[in-house]
Amino acid sequence: ILNVEQSPQSLHVQEGDSTNFTCSFPSSNFYALHWYRWETAKSPEALFVMTLNGDEKKKGRISATLNTKEGYSYLYIKGSQPEDSATYLCAFLYGGSQGNLIFGKGTKLSVKP
Amino acid sequence: SAVISQKPSRDICQRGTSLTIQCQVDSQVTMMFWYRQQPGQSLTLIATANQGSEATYESGFVIDKFPISRPNLTFSTLTVSNLSPEDSSIYLCSAGQGSAYGYTFGSGTRLTVV
Repeated sequence: ILNVEQSPQSLHVQEGDSTNFTCSFPSSNFYALHWYRWETAKSPEALFVMTLNGDEKKKGRISATLNTKEGYSYLYIKGSQPEDSATYLCAFLYGGSQGNLIFGKGTKLSVKP
Repeated sequence: SAVISQKPSRDICQRGTSLTIQCQVDSQVTMMFWYRQQPGQSLTLIATANQGSEATYESGFVIDKFPISRPNLTFSTLTVSNLSPEDSSIYLCSAGQGSAYGYTFGSGTRLTVV
């Protein structure tokens, strides 16, 4: 059974704090690792698609790293803002480029002004 | 990237009834996916819907309970049949854009069965 674990489950930070979350996934048969941001009542929004071991990607204040050999990815948010409040999902793409996404349960981030 | 309109956004249904969820994509896509998120759980794939063929269901999901239609390359429906309280979940549709770009999702349908 393929399992994707995310930690922590939830996180409360103050505006301006930097934070990071972890995603653990199977290290065998790796194809890609996706990160999504899901705000309440909105569509999940793709943040990053990572495919290569050692990949680092950045989008504004958000960045992610990937270690496929040990099966983990980190998502970092620098200087959190209230608008960063959302659930952050990682998903392991299984079975090739048209395969299925196996999701973790997500990390719910709340940023207080 | 594609934009998906999903409706209804929420519904409260009586047990034993059915709910049909619709997803309209603003461009043609080959593959569409239907997911369920039960309270406190991960998003779980129900089935993959390809135009012109039967949907492919994941283990634990059956066509009688979750019939899917895919009449063309821009539209799909998921019906949740014979509702019970255990079906109370968020249902999401998604379209694959290729692994380089991530997948596009609808905004979800929050179903409560009473």
